[in-house]
Amino acid sequence: NAGVMQNPRHLVRRRGQEARLRCSPMKGHSHVYWYRQLPEEGLKFMVYLQKENIIDESGMPKERFSAEFPKEGPSILRIQQVVRGDSAAYFCASSPGRGRGYGYTFGSGTRLTVV
Amino acid sequence: GQNIDQPTEMTATEGAIVQINCTYQTSGFNGLFWYQQHAGEAPTFLSYNVLDGLEEKGRFSSFLSRSKGYSYLLLKELQMKDSASYLCAVVDSNYQLIWGAGTKLIIKP
Repeated sequence: NAGVMQNPRHLVRRRGQEARLRCSPMKGHSHVYWYRQLPEEGLKFMVYLQKENIIDESGMPKERFSAEFPKEGPSILRIQQVVRGDSAAYFCASSPGRGRGYGYTFGSGTRLTVV
Repeated sequence: GQNIDQPTEMTATEGAIVQINCTYQTSGFNGLFWYQQHAGEAPTFLSYNVLDGLEEKGRFSSFLSRSKGYSYLLLKELQMKDSASYLCAVVDSNYQLIWGAGTKLIIKP
């Protein structure tokens, strides 16, 4: 198992287009977290999902952003009608549970550039 | 509100020792993580503390004082490859990770 897999690694979109970011968690991990990171800034929590359920989306912008983690397949972070301010690195992390000691394993991230 | 404070940037010399501090105010506490993130890469796990005291792992050690809401990461025998950002993250009462903004460590020859 190569760990948490994210694709694409780099994504360029024009303003107004849609961006789809994919994340396959580590084998055995059913908890997925999405983070956004701007250059020279820390990780900002966006959403926490388990299979077929959104558990916490308190960090997601109310419009244009959505996330899912279907029964089969990867978790998807979808950004509709992208704007320049959406340009950032988007990291996905997974964990086997949620409790003491359950650290996160991160994917390599998707770098979104909106032109 | 919940808050994690770390210095924004630190500079140290190759071969020396550096201590990166982290203070936190969170709703509950279920452990503290330190992660390393090289520029343009994913964060990688360094340490986890849930009890007070010092945990040593090779050149890296992590200390926790729950009563003071304080932790530090100690790096010994610094190498150029240690140049990276170091992220402090606290597990709150809802088992959510609350992240600090990270400390950028610059190592000079």
